Amino acid sequence: DTAVSQTPKYLVTQMGNDKSIKCEQNLGHDTMYWYKQDSKKFLKIMFSYNNKELIINETVPNRFSPKSPDKAHLNLHINSLELGDSAVYFCASRNRPGTGNTIYFGEGSWLTVV
Amino acid sequence: EDKVVQSPLSLVVHEGDTVTLNCSYEVTNFRSLLWYKQEKKAPTFLFMLTSSGIEKKSGRLSSILDKKELFSILNITATQTGDSAVYLCATASNTGNQFYFGTGTSLTVIP
Repeated sequence: DTAVSQTPKYLVTQMGNDKSIKCEQNLGHDTMYWYKQDSKKFLKIMFSYNNKELIINETVPNRFSPKSPDKAHLNLHINSLELGDSAVYFCASRNRPGTGNTIYFGEGSWLTVV
Repeated sequence: EDKVVQSPLSLVVHEGDTVTLNCSYEVTNFRSLLWYKQEKKAPTFLFMLTSSGIEKKSGRLSSILDKKELFSILNITATQTGDSAVYLCATASNTGNQFYFGTGTSLTVIP
């Protein structure tokens, strides 16, 4: 069973479209994240949710909107896609602070905007 | 501004060589430092370091943290082609929620 799973794994879409990436974790973790990894492999945090509440919201265009229907799910919706949005998007999760400081990543969603 | 810097950015070695990867950080509310290995897909966890001077070891990989000088090293001895990957360093904050990643070191091991 995959602990943190994301769909779709690959997505090619045209500029201006709206797309969503879904993430689910079955680890019982409280905190989930979205990271963006650019072509130079730099992982930059975008959002973090703790028990469905937004706790980190880095400087990200408001075309990106996360949604957490419950603590096991964190979805990412992107409006009006631009070429610069092409990247790998990783979902991750971690347990409560004090019970372990390790985050676990999903396998990534490769987004290409053409 | 918090930052995590890794060096070198890339490295090519022959099988059997020993490599040392560096990670320095300037992070407020530092709690721990983590190393990850990323091959084609998701980063996979290697080590978490919280205390200075205590070496963590797993097979041919080892790592140590220096909280006074604000850096960590990851050593790989007797490298194999399967060690080829990007190695990522990250810091975790005291609140436990914020993780900052370095730019990674791309290691290529050639036969």
